[in-house]
Amino acid sequence: EVQLLESGGGLVKPGGSLRLSCAASGFTFSSYAMTWVRQAPGKGLEWVSSISGSADSTYYADSVKGRFTISRDNSKNTMYLQMNSLRAEDTAIYYCAKEEQWRQRLMDVWGQGTTVTVSS
Amino acid sequence: ETVLTQSPATLSLSPGERATLSCRASQSVGSYLAWYQQKPGQAPRLLISDASNRATGIPARFSGSGSGTDFTLTISSLEPEDFAVYYCQQRNNWPPVTFGQGTRLEIK
Repeated sequence: EVQLLESGGGLVKPGGSLRLSCAASGFTFSSYAMTWVRQAPGKGLEWVSSISGSADSTYYADSVKGRFTISRDNSKNTMYLQMNSLRAEDTAIYYCAKEEQWRQRLMDVWGQGTTVTVSS
Repeated sequence: ETVLTQSPATLSLSPGERATLSCRASQSVGSYLAWYQQKPGQAPRLLISDASNRATGIPARFSGSGSGTDFTLTISSLEPEDFAVYYCQQRNNWPPVTFGQGTRLEIK
């Protein structure tokens, strides 16, 4: 069974940093691009960042570019999101999602999410 | 950036009725449009890919149609478990990938 498990969320002050992790199981992790999507409280879905299976390509939303860094360790079947210079508007549930192998940016499996709260 | 506009914002129907949800794109997305369902406290779930292809395990009462800028998600006969929020998402013009603002399907 394909599973994704996010961790690393929490309460952080504005300007602070957090690193989210997404542990994957049940599929050949290195063969699939992965994506982070977030959802602010009571709001809709917002794409944050994506990374190719080999990690040679990364993409970011303008709202996080220069502050967030996506990465992956295929030997550990884990994806990461390093979040720096956090702002109140980054408060959200962060979901990791697996993409379909031959259809970029189509998210077919989602984790349950980890909550990030940026507040003083 | 391709803006997706969903309508209506809220749809109130009864079980057994037919639901029709709309998603309009600010520019053509070809057929690269997906629909997701999200229930309270849960992650989104892929329903439809590439405008009209049901994802694995999705019941046949869910169907999608459209191309270019106008798309529709139809639920032929609502079951109690179908009441949720539905999002469309385009992957033709990225980055960024964009989502619609969602349609809340509620029990009348």
